[in-house]
Amino acid sequence: QVQLVESGGGVVQPGGSLRLSCAASGFTFSTYGVHWVRQGPGKGLEWVAFIPYDGSNKYYADSVKGRFTIFRDTSKNTLYLQMNSLRVDDTAVYFCVRDGDHWIWGQGTMVTVSS
Amino acid sequence: DIVMTQSPDSLAVSLGERATINCKSSQSVLYSSNNKNYLAWYQQKPRQPPKLLIYWASTRESGVPDRFSGSGSGTDFTLTISSLQAEDVAVYYCQQYYNTPYSFGQGTKLEIK
Repeated sequence: QVQLVESGGGVVQPGGSLRLSCAASGFTFSTYGVHWVRQGPGKGLEWVAFIPYDGSNKYYADSVKGRFTIFRDTSKNTLYLQMNSLRVDDTAVYFCVRDGDHWIWGQGTMVTVSS
Repeated sequence: DIVMTQSPDSLAVSLGERATINCKSSQSVLYSSNNKNYLAWYQQKPRQPPKLLIYWASTRESGVPDRFSGSGSGTDFTLTISSLQAEDVAVYYCQQYYNTPYSFGQGTKLEIK
């Protein structure tokens, strides 16, 4: 079955960097676009970024544009999110989500930005 | 950007009764070329990822009980739970996937009265 497993979360200081990974299995990774969606503690859902199946374009929320980079490695069936210049309000659970008629979500990885 | 607004923010309903959650988008999410509304509904329980209930505004995801239904078109949508069960206690979100930035409603917390 379709599985998305996020990793790479942790605690980082403001201004620091972190790279999240999402290992995909159970489907042909190269034929699907993938998103990152986050959820701050006690808050709602916020879409962060999207990369199409072929990586041709990348789309970002204004809140992360210029700081975060989404990219994928089809040979490894893995999606990434490079997060730079992290801020306290980037603290959240980050979900990897497969695009399609209906979105399929991973379990998420927690990122805490704190001094 | 499309803003999604849900009402109410919280809702308490008796077991076996109907629960209704509304969602309004700031612009239409109906794509005229295929006549589909790019609107989904999710259920989220504590410490779990969101679970997809409804997509294309009214198509129930496989395995979702038929007491859950979605309706509406254009800018106004509704999620209805026909007979509330204890396991339906959760936060519910609507989401538009018509264009980027994709956006979610603020969430509706559903409790038992």
